[in-house]
Amino acid sequence: ETGVTQTPRHLVMGMTNKKSLKCEQHLGHNAMYWYKQSAKKPLELMFVYNFKEQTENNSVPSRFSPECPNSSHLFLHLHTLQPEDSALYLCASYGAPLYGYTFGSGTRLTVV
Amino acid sequence: SQQGEEDPQALSIQEGENATMNCSYKTSINNLQWYRQNSGRGLVHLILIRSNEREKHSGRLRVTLDTSKKSSSLLITASRAADTASYFCATDEETSGSRLTFGEGTQLTVNP
Repeated sequence: ETGVTQTPRHLVMGMTNKKSLKCEQHLGHNAMYWYKQSAKKPLELMFVYNFKEQTENNSVPSRFSPECPNSSHLFLHLHTLQPEDSALYLCASYGAPLYGYTFGSGTRLTVV
Repeated sequence: SQQGEEDPQALSIQEGENATMNCSYKTSINNLQWYRQNSGRGLVHLILIRSNEREKHSGRLRVTLDTSKKSSSLLITASRAADTASYFCATDEETSGSRLTFGEGTQLTVNP
């Protein structure tokens, strides 16, 4: 365990379903991120939260809706996804200058 | 093309050999980081090198940074089968705050 926990580890959903991904950290970090990792592509930054406030939305479609109720929890709400949204979704947190990000193990999402 | 491009895309070596991976980037950076990812899992932070540093060591890892050439290299000495993974460089750009941009990665295979 890295200190960043993502649930579920795997998710299969239909295009009309609504589901949520959860990320939790108790490292005391103030910044949290959602990244998307698709096959043969670099990690794509989706959203950035600093002190619970969204500071970046990297042109992500509205079918992805993030929520950060407190500095320890981050959610990604999913609805009416497309098959091309199938990917590994990674959550990361960051707390101190000159240290790296701490990543969760990811949620492997398959949209059918 | 991408910030943080790794070279080669794939590398296969025998146990005990050294592995060298390279990364090029385009903009001015605060620091450059290397991460490792085992298949389908989250990324693990390996080492961070600041823009005013030229070389850094951590165990069997050696990282160099040449800001004039906008390039970095990661050397893994005396490789082991357990080093088999994907390795990513990530840049913390001067203008981006605490947001990392990742390259596409190098897939390293160490054969027993």
